[in-house]
Amino acid sequence: DAKTTQPPSMDCAEGRAANLPCNHSTISGNEYVYWYRQIHSQGPQYIIHGLKNNETNEMASLIITEDRKSSTLILPHATLRDTAVYYCIVRHSGGSNYKLTFGKGTLLTVNP
Amino acid sequence: GAVVSQHPSRVICKSGTSVKIECRSLDFQATTMFWYRQFPKKSLMLMATSNEGSKATYEQGVEKDKFLINHASLTLSTLTVTSAHPEDSSFYICSGGQGDTEAFFGQGTRLTVV
Repeated sequence: DAKTTQPPSMDCAEGRAANLPCNHSTISGNEYVYWYRQIHSQGPQYIIHGLKNNETNEMASLIITEDRKSSTLILPHATLRDTAVYYCIVRHSGGSNYKLTFGKGTLLTVNP
Repeated sequence: GAVVSQHPSRVICKSGTSVKIECRSLDFQATTMFWYRQFPKKSLMLMATSNEGSKATYEQGVEKDKFLINHASLTLSTLTVTSAHPEDSSFYICSGGQGDTEAFFGQGTRLTVV
């Protein structure tokens, strides 16, 4: 699986959009971009994933650049409960029968 | 979404004893589940892949005789930390899914060995 690079930490004001970047310059054509988050002392939570196209769900939007070498996770209206470590993971296979390799992630702190 | 339930959420045990952690898929069947370990302020590290009806696959550096994994049914995988020592104190997390969907994680188990 391709390696990802994320900033170690970011701050965001409550109610504003949080934009979390991820670089994956060595991504191959059949690799997906996944985002998970981990609130302190809890198991990770799936957020969103995509292959080529931008994706949106009730939690977030995922913007993938045309060359697929980077992506941005957008939380449109961040709340205090969105404070967590966000992990960007690139993996070959969709589906849960394939392991996830976690990097260090980005600690997002949402401030009141 | 699918639910993975992990039990117990916290456990304190004496050095030298064994501890069993359960990971259940509540509304789906999981042929594969994964066990991770997380030390304070560190990321999750995959320990092993649990395969229903067969032996687990362990990551390099993980002692299979110390961390026993049993996946006897499609809804239950267990991790037993044998002869626990203080350095085994950690946050243990399991994950599973329905194969063609994303993985879901348990709530995690905080193990403290005293």
